[in-house]
Amino acid sequence: GNSVTQMEGPVTLSEEAFLTINCTYTATGYPSLFWYVQYPGEGLQLLLKATKADDKGSNKGFEATYRKETTSFHLEKGSVQVSDSAVYFCARTSGTYKYIFGTGTRLKVLA
Amino acid sequence: DTAVSQTPKYLVTQMGNDKSIKCEQNLGHDTMYWYKQDSKKFLKIMFSYNNKELIINETVPNRFSPKSPDKAHLNLHINSLELGDSAVYFCASTELAGDQETQYFGPGTRLLVL
Repeated sequence: GNSVTQMEGPVTLSEEAFLTINCTYTATGYPSLFWYVQYPGEGLQLLLKATKADDKGSNKGFEATYRKETTSFHLEKGSVQVSDSAVYFCARTSGTYKYIFGTGTRLKVLA
Repeated sequence: DTAVSQTPKYLVTQMGNDKSIKCEQNLGHDTMYWYKQDSKKFLKIMFSYNNKELIINETVPNRFSPKSPDKAHLNLHINSLELGDSAVYFCASTELAGDQETQYFGPGTRLLVL
C-alpha cells in the first residue's frame, strides 16, 4: 500500500487563517521528504523539502519539519491567501530514483 | 526556457487508437519519469529511465511503451487505447545532488479516450 498518508480534503479556510495539512509516512531508513503543490491545470511544483531528521523546509511562508520520532512532515502556514488554493502532495523517496506520493489534499481559501 | 516540456497538452482520441506523448527536459538531468494522475488526483509512477536505460517499470500494461532516444527525451507510446487510460500524464526529471533528489514536473498531458 501507499506509505505516505495525508489528511483527506478538501480543506476550506478563510483568508489569513492558519493552515495545517498532516502527512505521515512509513519507511525503513531515512527517506527525503517533500511537499509539492499543484495549481489548477498545471504540473506539480516542489514547495519544500527536508532530507534528514529535524530539518525544517520552508518556502513562500510554508514550513514543514522532518519528525523522525512521529514519522511526520506536516505542512503549515501562518496566514493563507486565496492564491494558495491548490492541491498539496506529500512525498518521500523510496530507495534510489523512486518517489512515493500521498493522495493529495485540496486546499480552498475563501476571500 | 521551459525546464520540462510535454506535447501535446491535450489529446482526445477514440478507443483502439495508438498515440504518443513526448517529453523533453533541458535541465541536464540523467533521470526521467512518467506518472499517471487519475481523476481523484492520485499520482502513480509508471516508468523511469536513467541515461536512456529503464530502471523502474511499475505494473503497467504492455500497451504502454516508453522510449528514450537520449537522456533529454522520454516519450510514451500507448497502443490500443482504452477508456481507463483517460488521465493526466506527467513527465518529470530528477536532479541528483549528492544524496538529495528533487523532481521537476512537466505541465501534463490531458488524455481523454472516447
